[in-house]
Order: sequence, then structure tokens, then C-alpha cells
Amino acid sequence: DAKTTQPPSMDCAEGRAANLPCNHSTISGNEYVYWYRQIHSQGPQYIIHGLKNNETNEMASLIITEDRKSSTLILPHATLRDTAVYYCIVRARTYKYIFGTGTRLKVLA
Amino acid sequence: EAGVAQSPRYKIIEKRQSVAFWCNPISGHATLYWYQQILGQGPKLLIQFQNNGVVDDSQLPKDRFSAERLKGVDSTLKIQPAKLEDSAVYLCASSRVGGMNTEAFFGQGTRLTVV
Repeated sequence: DAKTTQPPSMDCAEGRAANLPCNHSTISGNEYVYWYRQIHSQGPQYIIHGLKNNETNEMASLIITEDRKSSTLILPHATLRDTAVYYCIVRARTYKYIFGTGTRLKVLA
Repeated sequence: EAGVAQSPRYKIIEKRQSVAFWCNPISGHATLYWYQQILGQGPKLLIQFQNNGVVDDSQLPKDRFSAERLKGVDSTLKIQPAKLEDSAVYLCASSRVGGMNTEAFFGQGTRLTVV
């Protein structure tokens, strides 16, 4: 199963873009990259996923490098409510989601 | 659509007692997951069902943990007997069947404290 590497913590000013990096150098050709976040005392919340192309939805944008070895989640205008732990996951061939330790994002007023 | 429902939200038991958690997935979701999340760590997969069959239970401590998903809908996770190290949040998630291009949705979890 492909593993991911994320920085343990990041700060971002409110209203600015938050760019959360993730390395997944052992990803296989048909494995998707998923992003979830977990706000304190809640279950993980789905954000976005992608295979090769960049993806955008109402919550965020996902930029995947051409070699697919890394990706960046972009929250375009971070708010205090975006303070959470963000998990980058490469979905395994048995379709399970393997979580790492994630990045703790703190949005500062 | 309704989300993944879990109960109870909180449970406190003494060690060596037994406990059960219940999960009702989103309607139509054939795949169901149980995760254990210890404080300060990411969720760890315990067991994965597709319909009522087990896909992966390699991380389930089978000497004390059991899970079932009768009729391919609701699921229960049981611990018997509980140990102090079982204190954690137990998360249930569900997803449609559709390969790797389908997202999973998580419930709020059950926080278990073993004293």
C-alpha cells in the first residue's frame, strides 16, 4: 500500500490560501489521492479526490504533479472553521483508506 | 441524504467488561468500514465489509473484537473483554461500490473510555 508523507503542522492567516503538501512517491498508476479533514471531536470529512488531473470543488482544489508523486490541497480563502487535521490518503487496491498522522492546520485570525 | 449514524456517542466501561457499537450506513452503500482512532493518531482500519462479506479484517484483534453485518446493512462491533488500551473513538464509514473512485462518508464516532 502506498504511503503518504505530510508536514505535522502548518499555520495560515485567515483569508489567505492554505496550501497543504503531500508526498506519495510509491503511488501506483490506478490509485487515487483522497483528502479528508477532521475537526475536533468529529468524524473525518471528505474534501476531494483525484487521479491525474487537477480537481476543484466547492471546498478546495487538488493539484497533482505530472509524475503523481506529490499533490497539494489548496483551500483558497481559509477561515477559522478550516482549523483541523488534514489527511492525504492514497486509496489502496482493496479500496480501503489508510490514514497517516496528517497535517494539523491552524488558521490564525 | 442522511449520513452515517452511530450509537452510542459515548460509553464508559470497566476493564474486562463487554461493549457493543452500532452503525447504520448511508442507504445504498454496500461497503462499510470500522476504524479505531486513538487520541492523537489517525484512524486505523479494523474491518471492511462489502455487503455482508468481510473484505479485510487483518488489523482486527480477533481474540477480543468481533464485527458482523447481517443482511448487508447495519453493523455491530463488539469488544469482549475490554482492555484499558481499547480506549479510543470507534468510527464507522460507508461508501458505494465503484472501485477507487468513490468517497467514503464517516459517522461521528463512539468515544469509548475503559477504566
